[in-house]
Amino acid sequence: DAGVIQSPRHEVTEMGQEVTLRCKPISGHDYLFWYRQTMMRGLELLIYFNNNVPIDDSGMPEDRFSAKMPNASFSTLKIQPSEPRDSAVYFCASSRLGGGGKNIQYFGAGTRLSVL
Amino acid sequence: QKEVEQNSGPLSVPEGAIASLNCTYSDRGSQSFFWYRQYSGKSPELIMFIYSNGDKEDGRFTAQLNKASQYVSLLIRDSQPSDSATYLCAVNAPNDYKLSFGAGTTVTVRA
Repeated sequence: DAGVIQSPRHEVTEMGQEVTLRCKPISGHDYLFWYRQTMMRGLELLIYFNNNVPIDDSGMPEDRFSAKMPNASFSTLKIQPSEPRDSAVYFCASSRLGGGGKNIQYFGAGTRLSVL
Repeated sequence: QKEVEQNSGPLSVPEGAIASLNCTYSDRGSQSFFWYRQYSGKSPELIMFIYSNGDKEDGRFTAQLNKASQYVSLLIRDSQPSDSATYLCAVNAPNDYKLSFGAGTTVTVRA
């Protein structure tokens, strides 16, 4: 199994530009999560999907952030326009609901975003 | 009050010693508890999960859960320099598939 695949691994952009982060979940997983990690705030959940449907987007910081999951094998997180305070590592994770309601999440390698 | 709190660390232990990591959570109905390890510059990787009160052992790692005290811990026996990392506690509330993460405890194992 290839695991969760994220691209790009690093992104450097200028303030005001649009940024698109991509994620391919583990095959057969029906949950997909987008997280952001910073030194100040730790690991924060932004949004999660179940069967390609957004379930909880309460962690999305503002309207500049949007996420889509057009099919079971692909999701995007878009920031438009980007700001320096968006600089962080963005992780995608996926999971499959196990017996007894257990849900173990597996993380991708992350995208390190720097907004100048 | 944060949903998940961990002892802030950093925690420095000599090689071969036991490292003890603590985590408390606020939602009494929480049912699933996870420990992730994160090396610097890498992504979190699952090392242990526990659902029932008591102890769960996996190699040099032991997770302990006490739901009455809303407390979960991780013990690392015979600590090795390769155990040097940040350990994240995560809690999954009932009927909710998202995880709440603690801020993490950084462990350094001195050779």
